Amino acid sequence: QSALTQPASVSGSPGQSITISCTGTYSDIGAYNYVSWYQQHPGKVPKLMIFDVRNRPSGVSTRFSGSKSGNTASLTISGLQAEDEADYYCGSYSSSSAVLFGGGTKVTVL
Amino acid sequence: QVQLLESGPGLAKPSETLSLTCTVSGDSITSFLWSWIRQPPGRGLEWIGYIHYSGSTNYNPSLRSRATISLDTSKNQVSVKLTSVTAADTAVYYCARVPAETHPSWFDAWGQGTLVSVSS
Repeated sequence: QSALTQPASVSGSPGQSITISCTGTYSDIGAYNYVSWYQQHPGKVPKLMIFDVRNRPSGVSTRFSGSKSGNTASLTISGLQAEDEADYYCGSYSSSSAVLFGGGTKVTVL
Repeated sequence: QVQLLESGPGLAKPSETLSLTCTVSGDSITSFLWSWIRQPPGRGLEWIGYIHYSGSTNYNPSLRSRATISLDTSKNQVSVKLTSVTAADTAVYYCARVPAETHPSWFDAWGQGTLVSVSS
């Protein structure tokens, strides 16, 4: 199974909104509403930011939101802040009951 | 507050078996599913597999022939073995909790990770 496809990098200025895409297929993202997103700062452990497409765990800022359309899921960060600079990974359940991850997107705050 | 702590040798030789253990505190491993995920240096995340507290497992198809995940309920530990390792298995290995019993797909608690290097 191929990994999900994410852009290598996305950048934005403080206060702006950015969106990271995550493209899969009809067997994973397109088939289920089980997409998750993780934030990873350099040298740190991944942190769950979104689960089941659009749900935020307790403690995650409301500036982070998730959505899905067809085979593509998206993570939007609004009111971009310096602390949001990190790598972001998407994940999805797939038809084989396996979990797929995207290759990761580096977010740069200009 | 659940805590996960991975442990095991930091170095393995090619063709050997890599064995890691995750000790869980603050929660019972019979309450959730548990997963192993790895991250090669400078690269992305790769899901290895997960185990249900009943003992049923599911693995990444690319690793299914080499990976085994098991539970030790007496010690509240989750383990992973990976056979016939090569340099491509060099990675930080994480254990993680999987809260969703149906369609297990997201990970809400992670260990700090342990780096395993495969080299002769």
